[in-house]
Amino acid sequence: NAGVTQTPKFRVLKTGQSMTLLCAQDMNHEYMYWYRQDPGMGLRLIHYSVGEGTTAKGEVPDGYNVSRLKKQNFLLGLESAAPSQTSVYFCASSSMNTEAFFGQGTRLTVV
Amino acid sequence: DQQVKQNSPSLSVQEGRISILNCDYTNSMFDYFLWYKKYPAEGPTFLISISSIKDKNEDGRFTVFLNKSAKHLSLHIVPSQPGDSAVYFCAASAAGTASKLTFGTGTRLQVTL
Repeated sequence: NAGVTQTPKFRVLKTGQSMTLLCAQDMNHEYMYWYRQDPGMGLRLIHYSVGEGTTAKGEVPDGYNVSRLKKQNFLLGLESAAPSQTSVYFCASSSMNTEAFFGQGTRLTVV
Repeated sequence: DQQVKQNSPSLSVQEGRISILNCDYTNSMFDYFLWYKKYPAEGPTFLISISSIKDKNEDGRFTVFLNKSAKHLSLHIVPSQPGDSAVYFCAASAAGTASKLTFGTGTRLQVTL
């Protein structure tokens, strides 16, 4: 009963490097989301997906790209990391009209 | 523009007493409200929710109250226990928006012995 699994849990990047955060859910949820959490700002939506092959921008999408090639996976990419992208990233999934289930988070530091 | 506001960054309550966490919202389109609990180094976990057609929802020690006219909701925890010490986030969503959540900034609850 894994729920939502994020990989990796921690990562340190140098400015300008790229990386991909992986999110997998085993609950057959249609919707998936990427949020970032910064001190004093709660969680903010980066991108989301309403189904396989679809993605849409959230509140803070700049500097990120996403892909949902399979229903169970949602990938978040940083093409050229910046210090402003230092944050804790949470993936979540849900069905229509149900609560969202969150992964354990990825702590990313960009130096 | 903060659409969901939690104006108390922290709250300290004695074990056994009631904890009351407050949340205000500005977007009239919000019709579903949730509370999440977060421990350090873990993801948020769902606690309780309420639809805009209700004004109260209970689940064990947790009760959420919704006052639509005031655009205010509150979470009551009775009795508070040390294991309740965590950060509590209020969140809201609107119908037809793919269940996207807008979060408040969180309130850190400390339950003391």
